[in-house]
Amino acid sequence: AQTVTQSQPEMSVQEAETVTLSCTYDTSESDYYLFWYKQPPSRQMILVIRQEAYKQQNATENRFSVNFQKAAKSFSLKISDSQLGDAAMYFCAFLLGGTYKYIFGTGTRLKVLA
Amino acid sequence: DTGVSQDPRHKITKRGQNVTFRCDPISEHNRLYWYRQTLGQGPEFLTYFQNEAQLEKSRLLSDRFSAERPKGSFSTLEIQRTEQGDSAMYLCASSVQGVEQFFGPGTRLTVL
Repeated sequence: AQTVTQSQPEMSVQEAETVTLSCTYDTSESDYYLFWYKQPPSRQMILVIRQEAYKQQNATENRFSVNFQKAAKSFSLKISDSQLGDAAMYFCAFLLGGTYKYIFGTGTRLKVLA
Repeated sequence: DTGVSQDPRHKITKRGQNVTFRCDPISEHNRLYWYRQTLGQGPEFLTYFQNEAQLEKSRLLSDRFSAERPKGSFSTLEIQRTEQGDSAMYLCASSVQGVEQFFGPGTRLTVL
């Protein structure tokens, strides 16, 4: 069975600084996808970034980038130039290839300090 | 707004009552999912529809839970004889072919 672990319940970052959120996962499969979703208070979850396991290059979306370490089963999210609007719960999620059930971690609450 | 919508956004009910939630997916999305999110946890998969067919139900879904998706459009999730342990956020998501799921804002259920 696949598992996703987010060991940081809460993180804080100063506005304009950089923060890294950690995620580890466990699987014996080779075909899978990894995601970071953002859930602002009382608002819907939106996809921040995704990574296909077969791609060696780390995904990047503007200020958001990942450090995908396949052998270590690690998938961290780096947020550069943090903004107040980045404050939210961030969930790491795993999807086995050919399936549809996301497996989520427990989330990291990110606070951005002005 | 062409995103996934859910109704109601909040529901407070007394133990033992029945409740029904509705999800309207993004039009043209043939896949629909229900997840449950309890406090301090990430969402957990409940069930999956492809068009009108319910293809999988999690063991988390007891016999008191039933979901439908008539005509492959909107979906309803009904909980009968609610219990305090049913208090959670119920999330709906939809997708077309592919791996990205689009989530709705959720229905927060409080069972007193």
